[in-house]
Amino acid sequence: AAGVIQSPRHLIKEKRETATLKCYPIPRHDTVYWYQQGPGQDPQFLISFYEKMQSDKGSIPDRFSAQQFSDYHSELNMSSLELGDSALYFCASSLGQGVTYEQYFGPGTRLTVT
Amino acid sequence: SQQGEEDPQALSIQEGENATMNCSYKTSINNLQWYRQNSGRGLVHLILIRSNEREKHSGRLRVTLDTSKKSSSLLITASRAADTASYFCATDAKGGSNYKLTFGKGTLLTVNP
Repeated sequence: AAGVIQSPRHLIKEKRETATLKCYPIPRHDTVYWYQQGPGQDPQFLISFYEKMQSDKGSIPDRFSAQQFSDYHSELNMSSLELGDSALYFCASSLGQGVTYEQYFGPGTRLTVT
Repeated sequence: SQQGEEDPQALSIQEGENATMNCSYKTSINNLQWYRQNSGRGLVHLILIRSNEREKHSGRLRVTLDTSKKSSSLLITASRAADTASYFCATDAKGGSNYKLTFGKGTLLTVNP
């Protein structure tokens, strides 16, 4: 069965650079979520989209922005990268409106900022 | 304060034993979910229990939910070395956003062969 696809899987950037992470949800899933997981930490909710509209926003820095496109894939744009942005970034998708439906997580993008 | 706190933070058992992990949360919830994460890998959904349910089973997994105590437990029976992973509970707050899961700190389970 198709799963959530994230690209790239690994990314190394320098401070003050920008990064774009991509997420391709499971076909027919209409909701996408982004999470950040620091080393040894629990996943922290960043932002979510339902039917291409932002549905909720968590602890996402102003330097980050995201959107969901007409084909339902989503991109997380990160600018002015800081060392503290080094983390695993997960995308998840679900079919239906909200977290009462099971979220399927992608394998994550490991971002390292040097 | 953190919604969803796992207890214990780390658990080491022998293969074949049962493992019990607990999760407490602070606000009323719609659902509670358990996820598993192998080191540095993606999160795998294990089970979802709704606030009006008290117990749910899936294979070797048994989840209980006590909304009066705002707590849940995950029991893995007859554990295997392959069960070694971190286990997280995640909740969505009642009356809150439908689009946000709040994860707990996780329990690192080590099953020794």
